[in-house]
Amino acid sequence: NAGVTQTPKFRILKIGQSMTLQCTQDMNHNYMYWYRQDPGMGLKLIYYSVGAGITDKGEVPNGYNVSRSTTEDFPLRLELAAPSQTSVYFCASSKTDRGYEQYFGPGTRLTVT
Amino acid sequence: RKEVEQDPGPFNVPEGATVAFNCTYSNSASQSFFWYRQDCRKEPKLLMSVYSSGNEDGRFTAQLNRASQYISLLIRDSKLSDSATYLCVVKGNAGGTSYGKLTFGQGTILTVHP
Repeated sequence: NAGVTQTPKFRILKIGQSMTLQCTQDMNHNYMYWYRQDPGMGLKLIYYSVGAGITDKGEVPNGYNVSRSTTEDFPLRLELAAPSQTSVYFCASSKTDRGYEQYFGPGTRLTVT
Repeated sequence: RKEVEQDPGPFNVPEGATVAFNCTYSNSASQSFFWYRQDCRKEPKLLMSVYSSGNEDGRFTAQLNRASQYISLLIRDSKLSDSATYLCVVKGNAGGTSYGKLTFGQGTILTVHP
């Protein structure tokens, strides 16, 4: 049982490039989330999903897109990368949203230069 | 005003000390409360939920004061391994939707030294 896995661990992008951050969970959780964490700041929700085929925006969705074709996978797409997207990205999952613990992946450290 | 506010610290304490962290939240409709722990360059992990009556887990005690919109975490007999960032997390009212947003504080840095 690997929990939540994310790839890649690190990535450097040039301004204007695009990439997909991968996230997979093997706990059969319905709810999945993408957060970003800037230095010295709390986590900000980018997008979330309550099940396969259903996604919705969080606090800071601009510049990102998501899809949820299966229960296990929740990739995050960055289009036209900008320096403001330099951050650590965490994917998380939970059984439901009703007070259940969110399990986080190890994170992807992204630098846009 | 931030939705969830914490003193960022850092708190530097010797082993064996008792240390307390505070957190305030702005949304009075918030329903659930948690403390997460985040080690340096790692992902957050749930430390404990916070219940209205207060709760204890070993050396850790969490308190909630709904009237003052205030949450606290007390760590007794600090260990070197307690060094981490402690995140105060508040879950809002779903408001009729199926999702209740989690809001994270910026975290309080704790360093326990020998």
